[in-house]
Amino acid sequence: EIVLTQSPGTLSLAPGERATLSCRASQSVRSSYLAWYQQKPGQAPRLLIFGASTRATGIPDRFSGSGSGTDFTLTISRLEPEDFAVFYCQQYGSSPETFGQGTKVEIK
Amino acid sequence: QVQLQESGPGLVKPSETLSLTCTVSGYSISSTYYWGWIRQPPGKGLEWVGTIYHSGSTSYNPSLKSRVAMSVDTSKNQFSLKLTSVTAADTAVYFCGRVSGGIPPLGRLDYWGQGILVTVS
Repeated sequence: EIVLTQSPGTLSLAPGERATLSCRASQSVRSSYLAWYQQKPGQAPRLLIFGASTRATGIPDRFSGSGSGTDFTLTISRLEPEDFAVFYCQQYGSSPETFGQGTKVEIK
Repeated sequence: QVQLQESGPGLVKPSETLSLTCTVSGYSISSTYYWGWIRQPPGKGLEWVGTIYHSGSTSYNPSLKSRVAMSVDTSKNQFSLKLTSVTAADTAVYFCGRVSGGIPPLGRLDYWGQGILVTVS
């Protein structure tokens, strides 16, 4: 099973700042089958990025993903008030699919 | 617009069977996608439970495989989850979703239900 480790656990930033979230895999993720999700309290996760770098339908371009192999990054170029949430990475290149433990982006 | 809705009991007794159904609207479950269940214990992260295709082909998380069974009812555009011999550790919000991309049955979830809290007590 591939273990995904997200860092930092919590990121305290102000609106307008840049957020950089890391997801590190215990083994190489096949074909960059790596997704990022945003989850707000009481809601289901929302797909942001798939294939490591492709934005899902309707996702603003301030969200971008990069990386390959074992190291992946989600960047939010300028935080909007609605962006504060918990973010999860997921690998779907090997069974079982696994998720990282999450990074909380909170308002500073 | 694809929509998914989970339904089932919100409270299950220890050692009994958890049964949930996901009703899909706006898309035929008999089309090309796989469908999955994910769970999230209160205040914790996400765990993949399993995936099913309209043919009935399934793929389960090895950590739950001995207790999980999924099925599909194409006439009702629904798929279901059964988890046997539940304990307090199975208390979670259970989400259903559409699985997309990857190498089947693996994939990301591009559509999610709102989730249903199931408490084992």
